[in-house]
Parts: sequence; structure tokens; C-alpha cells
Amino acid sequence: GAVVSQHPSRVICKSGTSVKIECRSLDFQATTMFWYRQFPKQSLMLMATSNEGSKATYEQGVEKDKFLINHASLTLSTLTVTSAHPEDSSFYICSATHRGRGSLGAEAFFGQGTRLTVV
Amino acid sequence: GQQLNQSPQSMFIQEGEDVSMNCTSSSIFNTWLWYKQDPGEGPVLLIALYKAGELTSNGRLTAQFGITRKDSFLNISASIPSDVGIYFCAGQTHGSARQLTFGSGTQLTVLP
Repeated sequence: GAVVSQHPSRVICKSGTSVKIECRSLDFQATTMFWYRQFPKQSLMLMATSNEGSKATYEQGVEKDKFLINHASLTLSTLTVTSAHPEDSSFYICSATHRGRGSLGAEAFFGQGTRLTVV
Repeated sequence: GQQLNQSPQSMFIQEGEDVSMNCTSSSIFNTWLWYKQDPGEGPVLLIALYKAGELTSNGRLTAQFGITRKDSFLNISASIPSDVGIYFCAGQTHGSARQLTFGSGTQLTVLP
């Protein structure tokens, strides 16, 4: 199956610093990548949709200046948490949709997730 | 917005038993997907359903896309310890930029 690699898997940073998370599709071209946030024992909450070469579309309530998304190529999207605070601590997960796969290219493949802890 | 109701929220079963979980929606979806998530990992795709009424199997897993397009179920037969995890349903509609709407998840515990 399609492989999505997310890095780092864990990161601890000081309050006020910025953290960059990478999401790569290793063996396919991803037309669209998505970024989710997940709190303990809860479902995935979509933060933003990222299309290669264009600005990301953010969900309501997600600060685009705080969660910077760059999708520079068909295999890489990055999420930068700027000026991180303890309340930003969470599990962040990316997913990528394979161009042309499935009936409508609907199958989304997920990265391993990144556990961010802001101290 | 669209909402998915997933039930049950959690299940405790004996090894070897069959399991069933389902999702219902207030609106129509064109695609249903079932994922499993292990602790500290991203979700892994189990089954994808594209047509109303479609019944698809993947090993011990069977899922169906409801005729009304508003529901789906997942069955796991002869459960084993490695089935432990959180199972999520997800729905997608046409023209939604391929965004997925996730159910709240079913936490499955398999007792030896």
C-alpha cells in the first residue's frame, strides 16, 4: 500500500519556540494532504487541507498564522507550529490522498503521527 | 456540518468472539472508509467502500456500505489480541476536496 512518512514522531520544545513537522508520501504523488489534531481518546480533528502549489485551506477556528502549512511538492507538506504554547501540546497527524487511486482517489493514507509536547 | 455517530464507544470481548460496530450519518456519503489506530500511531486503512450496498471483506474483517448511503458497519470475526485498538469510520462526499469526516471511534479490548 501507499506509505506516508511523518517526522519527527516525538518532539519536546520550549514555550515560545517553533516546531516543524514533515509529511512525505514515499511511493506516490499526493495531490492533497491533510493535517489533523487528535486529543487523547478523541477522534481526529481536521485542521487544514493542503494542495500542492497553493495556499492551504484552514478549518474554522484554526489559526493560519499559528499553524503554517507549506506544500511545496507533490510528496512533501510541512506544518509549522509557531510560538508554541503548552495548550498546543497534542498528537498531530497528516494524511495524503493518492492521485488517481480508488474510485475517486478517496483513500487517504496516514502518517505515523507526531506527539508534540510544549514545556 | 456533517456528523458521524459511531457505536459502540468501547467494547470488551473475549478472544475468539465476533465484533460488530457501526456508523450512521445525518447526511449521505459517497465513500465509507474504516481505519484502525494503535496507541501513538496514525490510522491504518482497513477497508474502503465506494458503492451503496457494497459488502467488502479483508481477511477476518467485513464491512458494508448501507443502501441509504447514511450508514456502514464493520464486523471482525474470531477476534485475536492484536485486534485491540481504536476503530474509526470515515465518510467522504463528492466535491468535499476529499476531506474525511471521522466517527468518534470504537475502543476495542480483547480479553484472553
